[in-house]
Amino acid sequence: NAGVTQTPKFRILKIGQSMTLQCAQDMNHNYMYWYRQDPGMGLKLIYYSVGAGITDKGEVPNGYNVSRSTTEDFPLRLELAAPSQTSVYFCASSPGESYNSPLHFGNGTRLTVT
Amino acid sequence: GIQVEQSPPDLILQEGANSTLRCNFSDSVNNLQWFHQNPWGQLINLFYIPSGTKQNGRLSATTVATERYSLLYISSSQTTDSGVYFCAVRGGTNAGKSTFGDGTTLTVKP
Repeated sequence: NAGVTQTPKFRILKIGQSMTLQCAQDMNHNYMYWYRQDPGMGLKLIYYSVGAGITDKGEVPNGYNVSRSTTEDFPLRLELAAPSQTSVYFCASSPGESYNSPLHFGNGTRLTVT
Repeated sequence: GIQVEQSPPDLILQEGANSTLRCNFSDSVNNLQWFHQNPWGQLINLFYIPSGTKQNGRLSATTVATERYSLLYISSSQTTDSGVYFCAVRGGTNAGKSTFGDGTTLTVKP
């Protein structure tokens, strides 16, 4: 199992450009999450999904969109990149809501918007 | 939503010392994890511990769910233990979301 795979690892965007951060998991997990981590800070939840076709906002959803057409994939879309979106983005998955459902993280995507 | 507080925010130790990191949460939880973020930014899962006590080598963790806190113990610290330690919980009124504390930054000096 590869676990949770994020691509790309690094990206530099100009203000106003758009991009999609990819996230895929091969563990057949129902729940998937996107977090951002600003320098020296903790992780903030952007969006999450409890299954294919179902997504919901987290703490900091503005400026982002997500979709979940399959169990495996959970892409994060930035439509009009702004400097405030410079951050490290982490994707995570877990089997479900109940007990024995730990989070599994990808290695992150470091995004710089200039 | 559920609130998570970690203490202390920063901790500096000499190699070989012991330490205790604390995570308080504001509601009942059905998931709690401790992570170590290494200098390369990777999040390493240390413990999945919604209740009870677990040990893994020099590290151990205890969660007292009824009193809404968890403790991470590091014994005989090594320089490789340096990094940020995060507590993440899931529970309360929206059990689908996982909420992170702001972390404890540990520096172990040789």
